[in-house]
Amino acid sequence: EAGVVQSPRYKIIEKKQPVAFWCNPISGHNTLYWYLQNLGQGPELLIRYENEEAVDDSQLPKDRFSAERLKGVDSTLKIQPAELGDSAVYLCASSLFAGQNTGELFFGEGSRLTVL
Amino acid sequence: QKEVEQNSGPLSVPEGAIASLNCTYSDRVSQSFFWYRQYSGKSPELIMSIYSNGDKEDGRFTAQLNKASQYVSLLIRDSQPSDSATYLCAVIGPFGNEKLTFGTGTRLTIIP
Repeated sequence: EAGVVQSPRYKIIEKKQPVAFWCNPISGHNTLYWYLQNLGQGPELLIRYENEEAVDDSQLPKDRFSAERLKGVDSTLKIQPAELGDSAVYLCASSLFAGQNTGELFFGEGSRLTVL
Repeated sequence: QKEVEQNSGPLSVPEGAIASLNCTYSDRVSQSFFWYRQYSGKSPELIMSIYSNGDKEDGRFTAQLNKASQYVSLLIRDSQPSDSATYLCAVIGPFGNEKLTFGTGTRLTIIP
């Protein structure tokens, strides 16, 4: 069974440019998460979806970040415009259950963003 | 005070010895506790979960939870070089605030 798939794995852009990351969760997993991880830090939640609904986006910087999960499967995270401080690894994760926050997450390989 | 605190390390342990990793959390009514392992350049993977006070064993790994003292620990017996990684403690908050919060991780190095 395929795991969580993310793309691109690496992205280098100049500041003020837009960037988008894509995630395909494990088949049948209703809950999808986007995390940000800086070097030497633990993952920090940006947004959590249960099916198509964003149930927790309190940590998403909405002035420049947006996310969508059409049809309750794939998801896209966008940054526009990117800033130097956005350089980090963006992790997508999924879990089986909707309607409760399980800590048993399956992570993708991550998308490493470098903003110059 | 951070919600989930870990010693960042590095923690060096000889091969074959017991590695002990500790984590404390601030919210007394947190529900569930997890240990993730993250190899350098890779994504986190879940290795242990624990939900009630006491010990939970899985192979060479033992998770220990003490809710009264608000700490959770991970013991790795017969440490192997392949155990060298960063270990992330994660905690789910109380009902109504069930966000999974990660600590900063402890970097463990097993010395052959």
